[in-house]
Amino acid sequence: DIQMTQSPSSLSASVGDRVTITCRASQGIYIYLAWYQQRPGKVPKLLISSASTLHSGVPSRFSGSGSGTDFTLTISSLQPEDIGSYYCQKYDDAPLTFGGGTKVEIK
Amino acid sequence: EVQLVESGGGLVQPGGSLRLSCVASGFTFSSYGMSWVRQAPGRGLEWVSAISGSGDRTYYVDSVKGRFTISRDNSKSALSLQMTSLTADDTAVYYCARKLATTSGFDYWGQGTLVTVSS
Repeated sequence: DIQMTQSPSSLSASVGDRVTITCRASQGIYIYLAWYQQRPGKVPKLLISSASTLHSGVPSRFSGSGSGTDFTLTISSLQPEDIGSYYCQKYDDAPLTFGGGTKVEIK
Repeated sequence: EVQLVESGGGLVQPGGSLRLSCVASGFTFSSYGMSWVRQAPGRGLEWVSAISGSGDRTYYVDSVKGRFTISRDNSKSALSLQMTSLTADDTAVYYCARKLATTSGFDYWGQGTLVTVSS
């Protein structure tokens, strides 16, 4: 099975900073990758599909890139409401594995 | 408005069984693949199982194969997860989630139902 590895596992940044989270697949998954945000105590929310397509209603400060095995989620200007955990997920084929998550905090 | 409402969670002894349900509304249920995703306390997300819109294809993570069974009743817009031989490792909040399309992730999630496996 394909493994999904996220880094870093946690980060602390200031409001307004540019934040980058990476996700690496152990084998190529083309662009079949989604990103989710999970605020503390809340249900996960879809941010991005197809590696770079922003889901409806998601602020434009979020962006995604990559294909094959290496992917990136970028928050161009971190806001207080962005705190929480972020997960990548492959959905090319079962198992639809999630990455281990990245916890984002405000410095 | 799309809604997914899970039920059926609770406390169960190791080795026991439990059946989770998810009732959907606000969309044509049979047109969408559905999944169960779980999250152990303080841990990350783990995909558990998926079923196609028609129900003819099912998929499982290795750790639950042979113990969990996913099913759906499109006439009732209902998704189920029958869980047997439960262990402490199955303790988690279980979410049902809708897959938007083959080229997309899960766009709607239920609020989750907590399953606790303990003696």
